[in-house]
Amino acid sequence: GNSVTQMEGPVTLSEEAFLTINCTYTATGYPSLFWYVQYPGEGLQLLLKATKADDKGSNKGFEATYRKETTSFHLEKGSVQVSDSAVYFCALREYGNKLVFGAGTILRVKS
Amino acid sequence: GAGVSQSPRYKVAKRGQDVALRCDPISGHVSLFWYQQALGQGPEFLTYFQNEAQLDKSGLPSDRFFAERPEGSVSTLKIQRTQQEDSAVYLCASSLDGTGNTEAFFGQGTRLTVV
Repeated sequence: GNSVTQMEGPVTLSEEAFLTINCTYTATGYPSLFWYVQYPGEGLQLLLKATKADDKGSNKGFEATYRKETTSFHLEKGSVQVSDSAVYFCALREYGNKLVFGAGTILRVKS
Repeated sequence: GAGVSQSPRYKVAKRGQDVALRCDPISGHVSLFWYQQALGQGPEFLTYFQNEAQLDKSGLPSDRFFAERPEGSVSTLKIQRTQQEDSAVYLCASSLDGTGNTEAFFGQGTRLTVV
């Protein structure tokens, strides 16, 4: 079946550092890809998405590019802030609308 | 309300007890999903409704799990004879239509602890 693998955390960075969280997927066909974020005490929120190969999703300074050839959707941000500390989930949407999530990556940003 | 609302936020159940978890989706949203999130893991799909029709229940782990959405709005996830392995956060999400092209909005979840 379809699956998502993302890098294990926690990832600890200093403020203004560059962030990469790796995500690769296994799927039949060409699913839509997503990054969700869960801030402490809050529900999952959509961060960005890409629906086809070579699409770049972006939001709040975060970016991810749908790479069909490497089946990847790595999350990047050029300069992280303390307020970015959260758990980040990579996900794909299968036919039938359900989401398949990775295990999540904890990001901690120190001031 | 403005978002997806779940109740209760926390539930402690004794092993063998039945529980019912409620989800109030965003008003007018056609699609509703239930997910189970074990500690340190990503959410895993349980079941999906489009209006009152349960179109996919392939993720329900056993026949002790039952979900309904009788009027196409509020949904209830029921777990009978709870076991310790049922301890998890149960997430509800809704989206505007059934096309898969609209964003899924998640509630804060119900944390179930079976003791």
